[in-house]
Amino acid sequence: DIQMTQSPSSLSASVRDRVAITCRASQTVSTYLNWYQQKPGKAPKLLIYAASILVSGVPSRFSGSRSGTDFTLTISGLLPEDFATYYCQQTFNTPPTFGQGTKLDI
Amino acid sequence: EVLLVESGGGLVEPGGSLKLSCSASGFTFSSYTMNWVRQAPGKGLEWVSSIRPSGGYMYYADSVKGRFTISRDNAENSLYLQMNSLRAEDTAVYYCARDSSGYSDAFDLWGQGTMVTVSS
Repeated sequence: DIQMTQSPSSLSASVRDRVAITCRASQTVSTYLNWYQQKPGKAPKLLIYAASILVSGVPSRFSGSRSGTDFTLTISGLLPEDFATYYCQQTFNTPPTFGQGTKLDI
Repeated sequence: EVLLVESGGGLVEPGGSLKLSCSASGFTFSSYTMNWVRQAPGKGLEWVSSIRPSGGYMYYADSVKGRFTISRDNAENSLYLQMNSLRAEDTAVYYCARDSSGYSDAFDLWGQGTMVTVSS
């Protein structure tokens, strides 16, 4: 199975900050890398797919990038509603695997 | 409205069985691969199983292989997960999720989840 390692596991930030969450795959996943946001008690929500394509309706302060097997989710100009847990996921191979999550809090 | 709604969760004793359902609406259910994903209390997301649109191909996580069975009824727009020989470590919120079937096969639609608790 492909292992997805996210860092950091938790992150404290303030409104208007710029933050970056990284996800490293244990082997190539090409651009089959997706990012999800999850708020407490809610289902995950797809933010970015194919490493860098923003889902329609997701604010442009979210962006994704790839460098080899390293992927980054960047949020520029945090808003209060962005404080949540973020997961990366590879869908290159079965089983699809998730990173362990990054909890972003104030 | 495009929607997935899970049901069937509850409290079950170790070794028991439970069948989860996921009702789909607002899209052509028969065209999409569907998945079950679970989340243990306070933990991350774990993919459990998937089934192709026709129902002919099913895939399972090693942790549930031989105990869980995924199925679908395209005429009823419904997805199921039959869970047998349940263990305490199966305790989780179970989500059904749609595979976008686009370039990256991301899970673009999720239900609200149904809680399964395995305890005596």
